[in-house]
Amino acid sequence: QKEVEQNSGPLSVPEGAIASLNCTYSDRGSQSFFWYRQYSGKSPELIMSIYSNGDKEDGRFTAQLNKASQYVSLLIRDSQPSDSATYLCAVNGDFNKFYFGSGTKLNVKP
Amino acid sequence: DAGITQSPRHKVTETGTPVTLRCHQTENHRYMYWYRQDPGHGLRLIHYSYGVKDTDKGEVSDGYSVSRSKTEDFLLTLESATSSQTSVYFCAIGTAKLEAFFGQGTRLTVV
Repeated sequence: QKEVEQNSGPLSVPEGAIASLNCTYSDRGSQSFFWYRQYSGKSPELIMSIYSNGDKEDGRFTAQLNKASQYVSLLIRDSQPSDSATYLCAVNGDFNKFYFGSGTKLNVKP
Repeated sequence: DAGITQSPRHKVTETGTPVTLRCHQTENHRYMYWYRQDPGHGLRLIHYSYGVKDTDKGEVSDGYSVSRSKTEDFLLTLESATSSQTSVYFCAIGTAKLEAFFGQGTRLTVV
């Protein structure tokens, strides 16, 4: 059983601030890591994939991976009210199965 | 949207009845998945498929069966629906880049 742990939140940040979302995983053999954004009543949407240690930046989003610590994070710079959503961390396991954390709810206050 | 369509989008059914949810994809992806999402539990894998007629169980497979007779269709059947199966069901596909993309979801209520 793969475990992916996230703080459920809610995480509240003011507009324009940096939001930092964290995730830990149990399977040291995991190789692929993902962040999804899910608005209320909608399906999860892939926003970042990361496969190697270090940082990966895409616009206002930066994913950080530390395999030694089994830790993945997502930074959202210049947070906007439209970023308010639940963010799901996922890891890819054997047979290309995906395991998800329970999500962190982010509130960005105008 | 990765060409994934789920049907129906909403369904209310009675306890003890069989229910089939359909997932249809248009991009010929090998991997397909069924997840359920419940408050406090995140997305939990029910069943997955790695090819036509190739399926296997996920974390929460009891009470569910699947079939994949064509690449494009992955069916989830609740053999005898129970109230504990009230949930939002998501189908997903896995791409060659090892990324998952989701359908719109099916909200199932068992009364």
